[in-house]
Amino acid sequence: SQTIHQWPATLVQPVGSPLSLECTVEGTSNPNLYWYRQAAGRGLQLLFYSVGIGQISSEVPQNLSASRPQDRQFILSSKKLLLSDSGFYLCAWSHTGYEQYFGPGTRLTVT
Amino acid sequence: RKEVEQDPGPFNVPEGATVAFNCTYSNSASQSFFWYRQDCRKEPKLLMSVYSSGNEDGRFTAQLNRASQYISLLIRDSKLSDSATYLCVVNAGGTSYGKLTFGQGTILTVHP
Repeated sequence: SQTIHQWPATLVQPVGSPLSLECTVEGTSNPNLYWYRQAAGRGLQLLFYSVGIGQISSEVPQNLSASRPQDRQFILSSKKLLLSDSGFYLCAWSHTGYEQYFGPGTRLTVT
Repeated sequence: RKEVEQDPGPFNVPEGATVAFNCTYSNSASQSFFWYRQDCRKEPKLLMSVYSSGNEDGRFTAQLNRASQYISLLIRDSKLSDSATYLCVVNAGGTSYGKLTFGQGTILTVHP
């Protein structure tokens, strides 16, 4: 069966510091991968998606970036965090392009 | 108009009650529809897909009305464990990567 991992589970970072969140999927190959952010009390916002290694599409302009160095690895990064980057970051995978399955998420607080 | 709209609730119901959630979507080209469940501070989990003919999974029944661009979820015999936020989710038609649009969610609290 497929499993998706994210780490770290929680993170507290000062404004201006860099960020690196990692997501890996097991038990499948060539998945579509997604990064979402959920701000407190708000809905899920799609940040990036990837249909293959090195292929990244951005949904919203921001100071975040994503990379997919391996088939089942998806990384979310920032060079300098803003207060507004605080939120719950979720990685998801899909094989059919329809239903998506989410990882446990990373709760980021920027102070 | 939001792409996916839900009544945010909260819905507070006693155990054993029947509760229904509604959702409307704006993109008439949408092809796939889902209900997800999100517990507090947890990731969303797929509850059920919604098919054109309607579908049932135990106490849960989902309906789709394409003409009205309307989706519903009915929960019968509510349990305490059903307390969660229910997300209406729509796949935008014609995209190869499967972009999903999430509603803001409907909060359900089931009390003893």
